[in-house]
Amino acid sequence: EVQLVQSGAEVKKPGESLKISCKGSGYSFTSYWIGWVRQMPGKGLEWMGIIYPGDSDTRYSPSFQGQVTISADKSISTAYLQWSSLKASDTAMYYCARRIQLWSPLDYWGQGTLVTVSS
Amino acid sequence: QSALTQPASVSGSPGQSITISCTGTSSDVGSYNLVSWYQQHPGKAPKLMIYEVSKRPSGVSNRFSGSKSGNTASLTISGLQAEDEADYYCCSYAGSSLFGGGTKLTVL
Repeated sequence: EVQLVQSGAEVKKPGESLKISCKGSGYSFTSYWIGWVRQMPGKGLEWMGIIYPGDSDTRYSPSFQGQVTISADKSISTAYLQWSSLKASDTAMYYCARRIQLWSPLDYWGQGTLVTVSS
Repeated sequence: QSALTQPASVSGSPGQSITISCTGTSSDVGSYNLVSWYQQHPGKAPKLMIYEVSKRPSGVSNRFSGSKSGNTASLTISGLQAEDEADYYCCSYAGSSLFGGGTKLTVL
């Protein structure tokens, strides 16, 4: 069974760093892209970027370039999304999802990680 | 790239059919047959319902169908059921992924 399991909810203060994770199982982790999607409270889905764990090829949405870092450790089938200095506006639910090609649909999604940034 | 345009809300009675539109440009929806649709129930992760404009993943009801004309894609749900009440998002490939703003479907 294909599964993407994300790390748990986080509560952080502005300026702090954070790294959340997405662990894939039930499929060849290095053969699929893993993308990240933001959903701010009460709002829609926003595409952040994507990584191919097989060779770490990473693409960012222009809106998120320089704001976050996407990485992966294929040895443990895990992708990451990280911030070096959180802002209150980073408060959102973050989903990971996989696709087999850059243009393919997002066929399996993680359960989401809620990040709350508040002083 | 601007988000694809969807109506904020649509509604229908059980058994009826509804259609949700998703309008983009000649650079995204109009250029590729790579529109997908996602259903999201409150507090849940999105679920793939339609891909490549009109294809249904295994397990998705045939009450869901998709189409495209020019720069506008559409999702049609026939025989509305209470469980269809959710938010629906379109997504198009345009060198990257572009989501619509989402449509809240209310089953009256």
